[in-house]
Amino acid sequence: AQSVTQLGSHVSVSEGALVLLRCNYSSSVPPYLFWYVQYPNQGLQLLLKYTTGATLVKGINGFEAEFKKSETSFHLTKPSAHMSDAAEYFCAVSERSYGQNFVFGPGTRLSVLP
Amino acid sequence: EPEVTQTPSHQVTQMGQEVILRCVPISNHLYFYWYRQILGQKVEFLVSFYNNEISEKSEIFDDQFSVERPDGSNFTLKIRSTKLEDSAMYFCASSEWQETQYFGPGTRLLVL
Repeated sequence: AQSVTQLGSHVSVSEGALVLLRCNYSSSVPPYLFWYVQYPNQGLQLLLKYTTGATLVKGINGFEAEFKKSETSFHLTKPSAHMSDAAEYFCAVSERSYGQNFVFGPGTRLSVLP
Repeated sequence: EPEVTQTPSHQVTQMGQEVILRCVPISNHLYFYWYRQILGQKVEFLVSFYNNEISEKSEIFDDQFSVERPDGSNFTLKIRSTKLEDSAMYFCASSEWQETQYFGPGTRLLVL
């Protein structure tokens, strides 16, 4: 069975500082990995995804994530935080290429301080 | 850019009442899903739907829940007799044969 853990339910960074949101997963097969962002009172927006190929994937809004199989991790980073990045971030894993339900992590709330 | 839409955005109902949450998936998508997010908790899978039938469902999706694709565009989630613990944000999602699911903005359901 798949599972996702996100270390740190709440992360605070200063504007301009590095953002690092951690995600670790367990999966019995090579996983498909996703990061979604949820702004207050809004739905889930896809930030980026890893399926196959290059392990460093770039997404929207300057975010990127690196799939590290040996560490079963898919941490999300952004070099310089912006106030507009304040939101809830969810890591998700899927074990099939289609039609498979996602298993979401518990989420990390990112606060950006001026 | 095509997007998943959901109606209503908010729904308040009395315990024991039936509710129907509506979704319009992206038009060329073949797979449809419902998830829920209880306030302050993580997003949980409810059910997936393909080729006019349920393909997977979670333990949460008991006999009180049902899904339907009544026409070529809508995808609905019905809760027959709502309970207080059904209060949550309900998200619809859809995907092509590919892996990425696109989520709607959600319906916030409050059961009193």
